[in-house]
Amino acid sequence: DTGVSQNPRHKITKRGQNVTFRCDPISEHNRLYWYRQTLGQGPEFLTYFQNEAQLEKSRLLSDRFSAERPKGSFSTLEIQRTEQGDSAMYLCASSLGRSRRETQYFGPGTRLLVL
Amino acid sequence: GENVGLHLPTLSVQEGDNSIINCAYSNSASDYFIWYKQESGKGPQFIIDIRSNMDKRQGQRVTVLLNKTVKHLSLQIAATQPGDSAVYFCAENNYGQNFVFGPGTRLSVLP
Repeated sequence: DTGVSQNPRHKITKRGQNVTFRCDPISEHNRLYWYRQTLGQGPEFLTYFQNEAQLEKSRLLSDRFSAERPKGSFSTLEIQRTEQGDSAMYLCASSLGRSRRETQYFGPGTRLLVL
Repeated sequence: GENVGLHLPTLSVQEGDNSIINCAYSNSASDYFIWYKQESGKGPQFIIDIRSNMDKRQGQRVTVLLNKTVKHLSLQIAATQPGDSAVYFCAENNYGQNFVFGPGTRLSVLP
């Protein structure tokens, strides 16, 4: 499978715990994006990387959230001290190109439930 | 500010009929649009895109129409099939800024 993959697919955690999600983009895609999607809504931009550099972060990304892409390949999204409001689907997408206009290919997402 | 929305949150069509899903946007500077399909438990899947220098683009069984005068985008699906049942999102892009997604329309195909 050469598409975007995400792990885990589902995560249930207790409030206050830390969680980490992983995204493996399409091979050689230089751009990687994280989105959050709540029920019945479209994806909301969180942050994106060009290679290993994190170029933009949304105001939605509080200081409890951190994302990395250390070698310009896979990326991790960590949420510290989770809150019930963090419950959502976290989507990763990747693209190849020079700008954010390029078609983004999405992974299946990680569904987080904070109890 | 930017606002991408959909006229109908749900749409039910008979199998074999044509479907039309609409999207309104408020940012007249947006110049690139994508339609995504999202099935239950999956991430959004690219369907078709269109740039602002075009008003129509056709794919396999799908057509996207762009009316910049009224800032309206539509997705037409010909001969709708059960496998077309999903939530459809339009997304707009303004000169390379981040994509902004609408809330989605759920398409249900009736047998």
